[in-house]
Amino acid sequence: GAGVSQSPSNKVTEKGKDVELRCDPISGHTALYWYRQSLGQGLEFLIYFQGNSAPDKSGLPSDRFSAERTGGSVSTLTIQRTQQEDSAVYLCASSLRTGDYEQYFGPGTRLTVT
Amino acid sequence: AQSVTQLDSQVPVFEEAPVELRCNYSSSVSVYLFWYVQYPNQGLQLLLKYLSGSTLVKGINGFEAEFNKSQTSFHLRKPSVHISDTAEYFCAVSDKGGSEKLVFGKGTKLTVNP
Repeated sequence: GAGVSQSPSNKVTEKGKDVELRCDPISGHTALYWYRQSLGQGLEFLIYFQGNSAPDKSGLPSDRFSAERTGGSVSTLTIQRTQQEDSAVYLCASSLRTGDYEQYFGPGTRLTVT
Repeated sequence: AQSVTQLDSQVPVFEEAPVELRCNYSSSVSVYLFWYVQYPNQGLQLLLKYLSGSTLVKGINGFEAEFNKSQTSFHLRKPSVHISDTAEYFCAVSDKGGSEKLVFGKGTKLTVNP
């Protein structure tokens, strides 16, 4: 079946602009995660959604970052007033349910802030 | 707070040689442990996971890892590598009973030479 998909695959934006990154999880997966992969920081957790529960936002680096998950499926990560240090690959993952401990990752969105 | 240390950033080996990629973790609570692989220009793929039971875990592509609680280690091994194993390998931990977010090590780049 289809895996986790993310769009766009690449995004180049100017410093100060807002960007939206999209994630389509595997159908039926109730848990969704966002991570960031950068040369300096490695792989970092950003945010976690599980069903209708309040999201775990403990990894968001600043209030310029926000995410939502509509209808328990598609998720959008928004970065406002982008900075050069936001340049990274943003990875989305989903898992079937809590307790599954098997996350399936998408190919990522490479964000470059110029 | 959890942390993961991958002691080797790069490991070059010859084809058909054995390999061990080292991983140590630091956590004040019980954890689950994972190894992920990232092939060039691809997303992360789960190789294996330790949740409970036997401390020797077998994964895909002939890899295995051993959980050692006293040494807080989870080293990854393969008895005979192939050129196609060239990739970056990430060790990760997750708190038992938490949000299942993964804390990753910095990664080990495995290069298999002919």
